[in-house]
Amino acid sequence: SAVISQKPSRDICQRGTSLTIQCQVDSQVTMMFWYRQQPGQSLTLIATANQGSEATYESGFVIDKFPISRPNLTFSTLTVSNMSPEDSSIYLCSVEDWTGSNEKLFFGSGTQLSVL
Amino acid sequence: DAKTTQPPSMDCAEGRAANLPCNHSTISGNEYVYWYRQIHSQGPQYIIHGLKNNETNEMASLIITEDRKSSTLILPHATLRDTAVYYCIVNAGKSTFGDGTTLTVKP
Repeated sequence: SAVISQKPSRDICQRGTSLTIQCQVDSQVTMMFWYRQQPGQSLTLIATANQGSEATYESGFVIDKFPISRPNLTFSTLTVSNMSPEDSSIYLCSVEDWTGSNEKLFFGSGTQLSVL
Repeated sequence: DAKTTQPPSMDCAEGRAANLPCNHSTISGNEYVYWYRQIHSQGPQYIIHGLKNNETNEMASLIITEDRKSSTLILPHATLRDTAVYYCIVNAGKSTFGDGTTLTVKP
């Protein structure tokens, strides 16, 4: 199974600043996904990041607020821009792993973000 | 992707089997059912998945009804460390995560 390293694991940030979250995978993967989990809520998909193309954003999420980079098949970043307290959430990176005949989704340990 | 419906919470006695149901009545013929769990706001952990046959691995068993409109995750001997939120989703990747079932295993 894919091993995902996500950092930082947590951060406390000031309103109006930006934070870049990194996601490193130990194998090459085609599809990488970024999720947000607000306090007490389930996971919400922010965007899908494919190497060599622009990220595809879900309804309610825009590139200016959550720019994503995907420079190669093992790495991606998500930036939370111009943060406000409403952005306080856990941000999760995940990848599809096609080991065997079926895809599975594996998650990083998440970044706990608090915005003051 | 098909939506899923799960009970919000369940309790289970330690050592007993935990049976977690999931409804996915709009599932398509080629869509798989996946189960994940999340402990203490860590990243969700993959448990098991299946298409139409029952599946078993070292963590759990998955029973899928013949019409594929529902499934049950079985933890055969629940331990305190199985206390978590359990999510049933259809397909991986861009799947929509519902609210899941909070399973509490009690001594």
